[in-house]
Amino acid sequence: SYELTQPPSVSVSPGQTARITCSGDALSKKYAYWYQQKSGQAPVLVIFEDSKRPSGIPERFSGSKSGTMATLTISGAQVEDEADYYCYSTDTSGYYRGVFGGGAKLTVL
Amino acid sequence: EVQLVESGGGLVQPGGSLRLSCAASGFTFRSYWMHWVRQAPGKGLVWVSRINNDGSDTDYADSVKGRFTISRDNAKNTLYLQMNSLRVEDTAVYYCARETGYVDYWGQGTLVTVSS
Repeated sequence: SYELTQPPSVSVSPGQTARITCSGDALSKKYAYWYQQKSGQAPVLVIFEDSKRPSGIPERFSGSKSGTMATLTISGAQVEDEADYYCYSTDTSGYYRGVFGGGAKLTVL
Repeated sequence: EVQLVESGGGLVQPGGSLRLSCAASGFTFRSYWMHWVRQAPGKGLVWVSRINNDGSDTDYADSVKGRFTISRDNAKNTLYLQMNSLRVEDTAVYYCARETGYVDYWGQGTLVTVSS
């Protein structure tokens, strides 16, 4: 089955740039999406179609993709950005199969 | 304001059944594809199923195919997930979510516990 691979944890100091990667073979053909999930809350979309930011999401959140790797960048990370971040995409089997990465815990302190 | 409110979770024995509901409001429900996503306690998100706007097309994760059935009632603005032959590993918070070409809004989830 198709998998997306993320680092389990990323740690930065406030004001630094945090980068969270997501790798998977199908990413070269499929969009990547990023969700933020704070403790005890439902996920929130922060990036769609590789690099687009929904309204209401701070400009410090950006996304990029090169080949089979997508990257979520938080420029000037703030304490309130501490959360789990999940990438999401679909496989290329011809059937719709949604796939989440394992999630990356971002610590800002 | 888009609202998705799940209900129907609870404790069920292995092999049992449960039907989850998701009441939608604040948008034209019949125009949107919908998803179910689950999250086991302390674990990551896992995609479960998807249904198109009129209910004629469905997709499932391999882990639930043949046991779970997604459906919808556009007249009642409600999404359903019928879960049969439940296993301990199905224990999770189940979220419904709206698709706008991608999943944008999520409900707060309902907890399903499968245990004897």
